[in-house]
Amino acid sequence: AQKITQTQPGMFVQEKEAVTLDCTYDTSDQSYGLFWYKQPSSGEMIFLIYQGSYDEQNATEGRYSLNFQKARKSANLVISASQLGDSAMYFCAMREVSTGGGNKLTFGTGTQLKVEL
Amino acid sequence: DVKVTQSSRYLVKRTGEKVFLECVQDMDHENMFWYRQDPGLGLRLIYFSYDVKMKEKGDIPEGYSVSREKKERFSLILESASTNQTSMYLCASSLVRTQETQYFGPGTRLLVL
Repeated sequence: AQKITQTQPGMFVQEKEAVTLDCTYDTSDQSYGLFWYKQPSSGEMIFLIYQGSYDEQNATEGRYSLNFQKARKSANLVISASQLGDSAMYFCAMREVSTGGGNKLTFGTGTQLKVEL
Repeated sequence: DVKVTQSSRYLVKRTGEKVFLECVQDMDHENMFWYRQDPGLGLRLIYFSYDVKMKEKGDIPEGYSVSREKKERFSLILESASTNQTSMYLCASSLVRTQETQYFGPGTRLLVL
């Protein structure tokens, strides 16, 4: 079963508007972490924001915030005041414990965001 | 500043060749990872290592092997490259004693002809 689901393959938003990128996850662990990464066309993966499963407050980093709804197992990324430079692929990921005991990330399939004038 | 480097940005190889992809990090991170990225599939974990000479299979290890002789260097080896290994390969590293945010290298686009 897919552990991280991003149902929006592509999104358009107008400059200066806010946009929400959806992410749902599936885990039976009590302790886990959720991440969002941005991948511009140049290819590098840029860490944006992190939410721990025990964090009571939603994470925020500048224009990025994570809308964490634990009971619904969702961790949506909200980008406020979109800029042209926000056009990129966005990946949601979850940290989980591997069979060997190490921690690894499982990624969703990504959402391609296009910011328009 | 966090720095992960990969030996090549672009690589073209022939079917059957042995291919080495090198990754180096300068943050003294314990964990290192190799992913491949294909359109519509996101990133899939090939192998990872949480200590020197330690390795663990990820979700798609078939056709690949890895080597970690030094803490800062993690190599991905394609023993006999095949056309279905044409992909973008991304290396990452993380520190154990934090939230384990992974920091990525710039990626290597491999084309196998």
